[in-house]
Amino acid sequence: DGGITQSPKYLFRKEGQNVTLSCEQNLNHDAMYWYRQDPGQGLRLIYYSQIVNDFQKGDIAEGYSVSREKKESFPLTVTSAQKNPTAFYLCASGQNEQYFGPGTRLTVT
Amino acid sequence: LAKTTQPISMDSYEGQEVNITCSHNNIATNDYITWYQQFPSQGPRFIIQGYKTKVTNEVASLFIPADRKSSTLSLPRVSLSDTAVYYCLVGTVYNFNKFYFGSGTKLNVKP
Repeated sequence: DGGITQSPKYLFRKEGQNVTLSCEQNLNHDAMYWYRQDPGQGLRLIYYSQIVNDFQKGDIAEGYSVSREKKESFPLTVTSAQKNPTAFYLCASGQNEQYFGPGTRLTVT
Repeated sequence: LAKTTQPISMDSYEGQEVNITCSHNNIATNDYITWYQQFPSQGPRFIIQGYKTKVTNEVASLFIPADRKSSTLSLPRVSLSDTAVYYCLVGTVYNFNKFYFGSGTKLNVKP
């Protein structure tokens, strides 16, 4: 069953803690992306990766970090430096057409 | 980075045809136009993509005029389940453009 998985669906953390969001795809896509969505807003690009061991900052990369050690995996770490980390995080893969995961809703208190 | 402008919201009734227009004045020669649908608390889903003229698939049609500065997504005979946010994007695979999602159009289909 091909697709993108994100885990967990809901995540709760205390302020000051780093947290890593998982994203896995078995679609054999080179390109992967991380977006952030706030209530009532569109998606904003955090990081993207065109190929393994390479990634680029998107529009709102501050306070986030990523790695791309495997083609299938593109984890996102939300660091304590991110001022407003509570949001809905979406991972996607694909080039011309992006396939999205189900999302992770992160709440930081 | 080619940005897009869409209406914030639209209302329709079941069984009607809905047309959502997107403005993209700065579209580049190599850019394609892509539309996505998003339900609450889910990731967006690809609907249709085109470069020029008209594209049709099993769920929608996409009309693109010759100057390509706008495009119209047409949803035939909408149902309540079509209530969602619709995003228009422009970008190209050739330059690995960062697609700009914007705020989308919230379509509300009423019974």
